[in-house]
Amino acid sequence: QKEVEQDPGPLSVPEGAIVSLNCTYSNSAFQYFMWYRQYSRKGPELLMYTYSSGNKEDGRFTAQVDKSSKYISLFIRDSQPSDSATYLCAMKKGGSYIPTFGRGTSLIVHP
Amino acid sequence: EADIYQTPRYLVIGTGKKITLECSQTMGHDKMYWYQQDPGMELHLIHYSYGVNSTEKGDLSSESTVSRIRTEHFPLTLESARPSHTSQYLCASSEYGLDQETQYFGPGTRLLVL
Repeated sequence: QKEVEQDPGPLSVPEGAIVSLNCTYSNSAFQYFMWYRQYSRKGPELLMYTYSSGNKEDGRFTAQVDKSSKYISLFIRDSQPSDSATYLCAMKKGGSYIPTFGRGTSLIVHP
Repeated sequence: EADIYQTPRYLVIGTGKKITLECSQTMGHDKMYWYQQDPGMELHLIHYSYGVNSTEKGDLSSESTVSRIRTEHFPLTLESARPSHTSQYLCASSEYGLDQETQYFGPGTRLLVL
């Protein structure tokens, strides 16, 4: 079993929809949780970074962590075609510099 | 935007050739990383460095080597390229000390070994 599971998609939604992207994990030592966005032919860029459980909001993006269920989510409100990309979740143990990545979910927002 | 650069961006090369993928960052970050990324798959850590003259192998078994002679430069070398090395290679850097540590990624090098 992989430490981090993420459905690769693709997930196709109409413009304006609320998007929910999710990852599950098996290692309870993970304490730091990240979401990266990767456009085609580019490197990943950090979108959200959260510590432990709870919610964090940044503009149209909300990251949610439920450590009891070992489940993290990224919500995108009012999705735009420019949000079309692959979204990778990543998580780290305390004291570690190196994250474990999910496979990424391909998101397509069509006009 | 992150100041981390990779060259070449694309490379097609024959089996058995020696190649070096370049990575440079201008942010003064002490930590640098090389990842391999195949379509639809996780990023796999190949090598990392916590500072000058410090290098470690990652989780993915690799026939590549790295060096860290200068803070800003972290090249990856394949002594003898094989078709199984065909992949995208991502370089990243990070600096710990704030509330959060962020990995900044370069644009990647797409390698095709014939």
